[in-house]
Amino acid sequence: TAGITQAPTSQILAAGRSMTLRCTQDMRHNAMYWYRQDLGLGLRLIHYSNTAGTTGKGEVPDGYSVSRANTDDFPLTLASAVPSQTSVYFCASSDSWDYNEQFFGPGTRLTVL
Amino acid sequence: GQNIDQPTEMTATEGAIVQINCTYQTSGFNGLFWYQQHAGEAPTFLSYNVLDGLEEKGRFSSFLSRSKGYSYLLLKELQMKDSASYLCAVTDSNYQLIWGAGTKLIIKP
Repeated sequence: TAGITQAPTSQILAAGRSMTLRCTQDMRHNAMYWYRQDLGLGLRLIHYSNTAGTTGKGEVPDGYSVSRANTDDFPLTLASAVPSQTSVYFCASSDSWDYNEQFFGPGTRLTVL
Repeated sequence: GQNIDQPTEMTATEGAIVQINCTYQTSGFNGLFWYQQHAGEAPTFLSYNVLDGLEEKGRFSSFLSRSKGYSYLLLKELQMKDSASYLCAVTDSNYQLIWGAGTKLIIKP
């Protein structure tokens, strides 16, 4: 079982360009999450989805958008990247929105220049 | 505001015991998690506490006191592979996970 996959593994992006980070899970989990992790800071929630067809804003949603068309996929889009979005991005999932044992993907390391 | 505090870094010796503390102030409480994160890798689940007391799982134990807003992770018989960051996270009243910045544990031979 693959669990959660993310693509790409890493990316260098010019400021102002758009990009979509992909996340797919095969555990049939209802809830999915996008985090960014920066040195010295805890994981910060960008957006979440409690179930397919619904999404919500986390702690740091500005500059990011998500969609949840089906159970398995939860892409994160940067419409116009800025250098402050340089970070490691983790996608995670949990069986239900009210129990947070979350399973994480391997992460995407994004550098915006 | 919501806040989770844990030490930035700790050092311990192989074979010894180490206790990593976590204090929290959150809007509501629906459980506390500990995760392990090796450098360059994703976090992985270690333990979950929702009631006061000690949960033991092999060499790792986790303790919770809800009245004190306090938890600790106890690691026994330390091995070099335990060198990692340990993340404390609390589920708040909205069932969102609030994360601490993590404690980097360095194991010396």
